Amino acid sequence: KAGVTQTPRYLIKTRGQQVTLSCSPISGHRSVSWYQQTPGQGLQFLFEYFSETQRNKGNFPGRFSGRQFSNSRSEMNVSTLELGDSALYLCASSSGGQNIQYFGAGTRLSVL
Amino acid sequence: GENVEQHPSTLSVQEGDSAVIKCTYSDSASNYFPWYKQELGKGPQLIIDIRSNVGEKKDQRIAVTLNKTAKHFSLHITETQPEDSAVYFCAALIQGAQKLVFGQGTRLTINP
Repeated sequence: KAGVTQTPRYLIKTRGQQVTLSCSPISGHRSVSWYQQTPGQGLQFLFEYFSETQRNKGNFPGRFSGRQFSNSRSEMNVSTLELGDSALYLCASSSGGQNIQYFGAGTRLSVL
Repeated sequence: GENVEQHPSTLSVQEGDSAVIKCTYSDSASNYFPWYKQELGKGPQLIIDIRSNVGEKKDQRIAVTLNKTAKHFSLHITETQPEDSAVYFCAALIQGAQKLVFGQGTRLTINP
């Protein structure tokens, strides 16, 4: 069974641009969560989608958004990029409820 | 608020010795506690988890204990090997939110 796939693995953007990251969950998983990982703040929850609906949201500004498609694939978008958005963005999939979250390898975003 | 404290931040042990990492959570409603191992350039990989109706769980050289009253849980690795070197994260699932709150991580180094 394939694991969680995130694309692209690396991105370099400049301030003010926007970016879209993609996540394909494990087959059959309907829940996708996104996390931001930085050396200073650690792993922080962004949002979670289940069956195309955002169920939970973390404490991030509205520049961070996401969506989920009918095949459970998810995208997250960051608009008007800031230097502080440089981070490893991780996606995790789960079958839903209080089940195990499996992480992808992440997308490393660098904002210059 | 939701918070997970993890100690120590760095840990160095001799190969073959044991390593212990401790975490404390604040949300008494949390009922699922996973531990993840993250190697350089990779996403977090689940190594063991425990639910609040269990006090201890073991999987070969790895064990986790949970004290619900004290809101403490710990990871124990016995007979450590060089490949155990990595960053380890504890987490607590916020009930009803499908949101993991992570500790700050422990960088474990196994010295040959």
